Amino acid sequence: EPEVTQTPSHQVTQMGQEVILRCVPISNHLYFYWYRQILGQKVEFLVSFYNNEISEKSEIFDDQFSVERPDGSNFTLKIRSTKLEDSAMYFCASSARGWDTEAFFGQGTRLTVV
Amino acid sequence: DAKTTQPPSMDCAEGRAANLPCNHSTISGNEYVYWYRQIHSQGPQYIIHGLKNNETNEMASLIITEDRKSSTLILPHATLRDTAVYYCIVRATDSWGKLQFGAGTQVVVTP
Repeated sequence: EPEVTQTPSHQVTQMGQEVILRCVPISNHLYFYWYRQILGQKVEFLVSFYNNEISEKSEIFDDQFSVERPDGSNFTLKIRSTKLEDSAMYFCASSARGWDTEAFFGQGTRLTVV
Repeated sequence: DAKTTQPPSMDCAEGRAANLPCNHSTISGNEYVYWYRQIHSQGPQYIIHGLKNNETNEMASLIITEDRKSSTLILPHATLRDTAVYYCIVRATDSWGKLQFGAGTQVVVTP
C-alpha cells in the first residue's frame, strides 16, 4: 500500500540552527501539507502546497518556515532559525485532490530543539 | 470552518461495537465529514469520510443524520489496537484540503 515517508524520524538541533525535514508523498498525489503537534497538544495545520506554490498557510507558518518541492518526489519543510518552542512532531501529508479526498499522513519527524 | 463537538473520552469492551458521536450543527451543504484517528503520537490515520449518505469500509461505518448536523462513527468489533484518539473533522470546501483537528475522543478498548 502506498505511504507517505518522512525522514529523519527524530532530529535534535541547537537553538538558532536551520533544519530541513523531508517527506516523500504518495507518487500520484497533487496536494501536500505540513502539520505539527506539540507534545500533549492538538495537531495543527501549518501549510498546504499545490501546483508548486503555497495555497494556504496558518498564522504559525511565519517567515522562519519555508516549503519546497525540489524534485518530482520530495517535499521539504525548512525552519531557518529554530527556537525552543519549535520542538514538536512534524507530520507531512498528501492527497490526490483537495477537500473531497482523504489525506494520508506520514509517521512524523520528532524535532527537539535544545 | 464548521466546528465539531465530541465527547472527550469513552471506553469500549473488546469485541463490542464502539459508537463515537460527533455534532457538527453548523455544517454547510457541501462540506464533508471526515474521521481520523491517532494512535499514541503516530501520524493521523484516515478512517472514513462522507457527505450525505452512510458509508462503510473495511475499518468502520459512518452514519450521518438526515439533517447532517451530527454523525456517528461505528467500529463494529473493537480490538485493543483500536485504542486511539478519534477526530471528527468537517472539511471546508474552500480550504485547499486542510484539516482542522480538535481535541477528539480518547477511546480506550479494554479486554
